[in-house]
Amino acid sequence: GQQLNQSPQSMFIQEGEDVSMNCTSSSIFNTWLWYKQDPGEGPVLLIALYKAGELTSNGRLTAQFGITRKDSFLNISASIPSDVGIYFCAGPLRSSGDKLTFGTGTRLAVRP
Amino acid sequence: GAGVSQSPSNKVTEKGKDVELRCDPISGHTALYWYRQSLGQGLEFLIYFQGNSAPDKSGLPSDRFSAERTGGSVSTLTIQRTQQEDSAVYLCASSLVSGALSGANVLTFGAGSRLTVL
Repeated sequence: GQQLNQSPQSMFIQEGEDVSMNCTSSSIFNTWLWYKQDPGEGPVLLIALYKAGELTSNGRLTAQFGITRKDSFLNISASIPSDVGIYFCAGPLRSSGDKLTFGTGTRLAVRP
Repeated sequence: GAGVSQSPSNKVTEKGKDVELRCDPISGHTALYWYRQSLGQGLEFLIYFQGNSAPDKSGLPSDRFSAERTGGSVSTLTIQRTQQEDSAVYLCASSLVSGALSGANVLTFGAGSRLTVL
């Protein structure tokens, strides 16, 4: 079954607003990855987190590896239209032989 | 090539026909994944190859689905006797290593093969 739950499932925001989304699991992860999928494309890696408590930024994106190692957060500041897409969290699930497991996704739409 | 290449990009087939989808991973990448994505949905894990280890087939939805990886490089996903519910985008991804190590699991995805079963 699904091991990673993302919220919100979808969101509409006004251009220029900040966005927050999160990913939670009942299992501990040693790595958290955040991907973005544009329409008609495969997901692309945005940020990788490897240490509990780590806070990493990539331009307008900031992600944090939760201290409990069971959650992660992604923030987008000053959203723009090209931020539209589906955001996935992912991590290697030890109980599944460390293969990468993806979250349910957060669909972001921006009102221009 | 520089990225993960998938072919065909689009495939329309009739119910009951067999289809083959191909994935060319990044040269040297030892881990290769196949995922399925139905319209507007998340990524459903299908199968995972890691080096010379036996593949993890735990995500294959039925015995109509199979995959192989020849020479540790190119992979083919085969769907026999296709059904309408098989319609989806099939995504392939590869990574240099896989596991819980720092730097691992950075998957590079192909653009996907969109399958439509009529």
